[in-house]
Amino acid sequence: DQQVKQNSPSLSVQEGRISILNCDYTNSMFDYFLWYKKYPAEGPTFLISISSIKDKNEDGRFTVFLNKSAKHLSLHIVPSQPGDSAVYFCAAIPNSGYALNFGKGTSLLVTP
Amino acid sequence: EAGVAQSPRYKIIEKRQSVAFWCNPISGHATLYWYQQILGQGPKLLIQFQNNGVVDDSQLPKDRFSAERLKGVDSTLKIQPAKLEDSAVYLCASERASTDTQYFGPGTRLTVL
Repeated sequence: DQQVKQNSPSLSVQEGRISILNCDYTNSMFDYFLWYKKYPAEGPTFLISISSIKDKNEDGRFTVFLNKSAKHLSLHIVPSQPGDSAVYFCAAIPNSGYALNFGKGTSLLVTP
Repeated sequence: EAGVAQSPRYKIIEKRQSVAFWCNPISGHATLYWYQQILGQGPKLLIQFQNNGVVDDSQLPKDRFSAERLKGVDSTLKIQPAKLEDSAVYLCASERASTDTQYFGPGTRLTVL
């Protein structure tokens, strides 16, 4: 049973534009959310996170928004760069544990 | 700071054979995780260690999978016997206790023929 859902398998964006990656979750016990970025043949690398007590967290070009009532979060990348092309995983941690619950990932392609 | 090390990077075996993967976490990281990532899916937790003790192995298929972290540092994951559906990337991650940021190794890609 997939508790973290990324319904868009892929996304293509032009360089310089905004990339918006979406994630929905079903488990109301999740209270910490993370985005990981993965290049081929490498492990996922941590990108940005947000606690359930916040609705926004920003780090340079990356901003994560959390809408708890809708059980929805999104990652905004502005401006998008070709080096951002990768698979992005949304992950969530319940308040009772530490293990990451991952979505299936969204493959982002940023074209010049 | 050195990252999480895993070996081998690739392994091809036939079904019913045995295989073992090794992970060396970041120095000082007390928590170690093994994840299985099947093609097209996100990583799924198999087992979590805190030092040399198991915290969560509820999703580990214990009839064929085993894992240990005897000295609380490096860890091995074993599959015996392997099935076709075990073909996946096996990721190891480590975490300094209570930071909620897990650092992943490059993974071992297993192909079972």
